Amino acid sequence: DAKTTQPPSMDCAEGRAANLPCNHSTISGNEYVYWYRQIHSQGPQYIIHGLKNNETNEMASLIITEDRKSSTLILPHATLRDTAVYYCIVRVLIQGAQKLVFGQGTRLTINP
Amino acid sequence: GAVVSQHPSRVICKSGTSVKIECRSLDFQATTMFWYRQFPKQSLMLMATSNEGSKATYEQGVEKDKFLINHASLTLSTLTVTSAHPEDSSFYICSASDRSSGNTIYFGEGSWLTVV
Repeated sequence: DAKTTQPPSMDCAEGRAANLPCNHSTISGNEYVYWYRQIHSQGPQYIIHGLKNNETNEMASLIITEDRKSSTLILPHATLRDTAVYYCIVRVLIQGAQKLVFGQGTRLTINP
Repeated sequence: GAVVSQHPSRVICKSGTSVKIECRSLDFQATTMFWYRQFPKQSLMLMATSNEGSKATYEQGVEKDKFLINHASLTLSTLTVTSAHPEDSSFYICSASDRSSGNTIYFGEGSWLTVV
């Protein structure tokens, strides 16, 4: 299984861009990188995913390095509501079931 | 994104009883659903993968006779915690794979189980 490494915690000022790094050096060629976040006592929320190219949606941007061994999730203008645990996950495909295996994630705190 | 709903959001049950948690995909068909549990200040732990019309696949260390999973339709999976004990108290979260959006997985709101 490809695994990910994330810093346990980060701080960011409100209104600034939050850049969350993730290392996935053992990722396979057909595995996607997914990002979810979990606000306290809620189910995880899907943010974005990508394979090779950079991706952007209304929530965030995902920058994947050319060798695909790392990626960065960018929240362009962080707000207090973005305080959450952010999970970077590589999609595991075992026996046809594409499950998500969670690591410890990064606890992002947005400060006023 | 797609919507996954869980019910109940909170439940309290007595030791030795069984409790059922439902997971529904509201606006898409989910051939595969997943059940997780999460203890305070810890990450999500995958319990089992539920496939419509077939037996669930359990992760190592998860007792299949204690955590019964049924995926009877393309929009509903249930988790039954049998003979509940206080140590089963946890946050249970389901998720479902939406084939129409490239198999993106969406999560329910979670269910808090307290066994007294």
